[in-house]
Amino acid sequence: AQSVDQPDAHVTLYEGASLELRCSYSYSAAPYLFWYVQYPGQSLQFLLKYITGDAVVKGTKGFEAEFRKSNSSFNLKKSPAHWSDSAKYFCALEGRGTGANTGKLTFGHGTILRVHP
Amino acid sequence: VTLLEQNPRWRLVPRGQAVNLRCILKNSQYPWMSWYQQDLQKQLQWLFTLRSPGDKEVKSLPGADYLATRVTDTELRLQVANMSQGRTLYCTCSSGQGARDTQYFGPGTRLLVL
Repeated sequence: AQSVDQPDAHVTLYEGASLELRCSYSYSAAPYLFWYVQYPGQSLQFLLKYITGDAVVKGTKGFEAEFRKSNSSFNLKKSPAHWSDSAKYFCALEGRGTGANTGKLTFGHGTILRVHP
Repeated sequence: VTLLEQNPRWRLVPRGQAVNLRCILKNSQYPWMSWYQQDLQKQLQWLFTLRSPGDKEVKSLPGADYLATRVTDTELRLQVANMSQGRTLYCTCSSGQGARDTQYFGPGTRLLVL
């Protein structure tokens, strides 16, 4: 079984501050990890992914994420935050299996980020 | 660059009536196509991944029954029946067998129950 936990339903901060959105996962092997962003009324946009290698991966819109195997986390970061970053952010996991799990992303419940100007 | 088109973009569905959705792939480099549902609480759940024309799968979840069909290399369909609550259906596409390849989301079809 695989699962993703985003413990913070809401994060609020002011423009210019550093943001960090938390994500932890449960999976029996090394996972593939993704972050997506959903702006109000829109679909999901891909931000970045971790496959293997370096623990810090960089993505679009100035975001990066750090994979930490020791505590099964994949936190999303950006500094400084901008008011336009306000959206809902989803962390997702895809296992390394085949067959029935091919193409299956397991999502966390998401974190709503509000950045005040 | 638009990779996926979905239609309709929204639909009011009378309770007990089925609705048929289409997803059109605009770039053949991303042939692996999937369906996801997002419920009213914004929770996302994978439904199906279909690669080859002729592939069909069915699934019953709380609140809806689904039948997915890969019609052609560029068209994926989804029939939604017995829907009790509104939801949004997204199709996705990726280049490989799904695992580790980025999945790109279509614009979605929003379904509301009358």
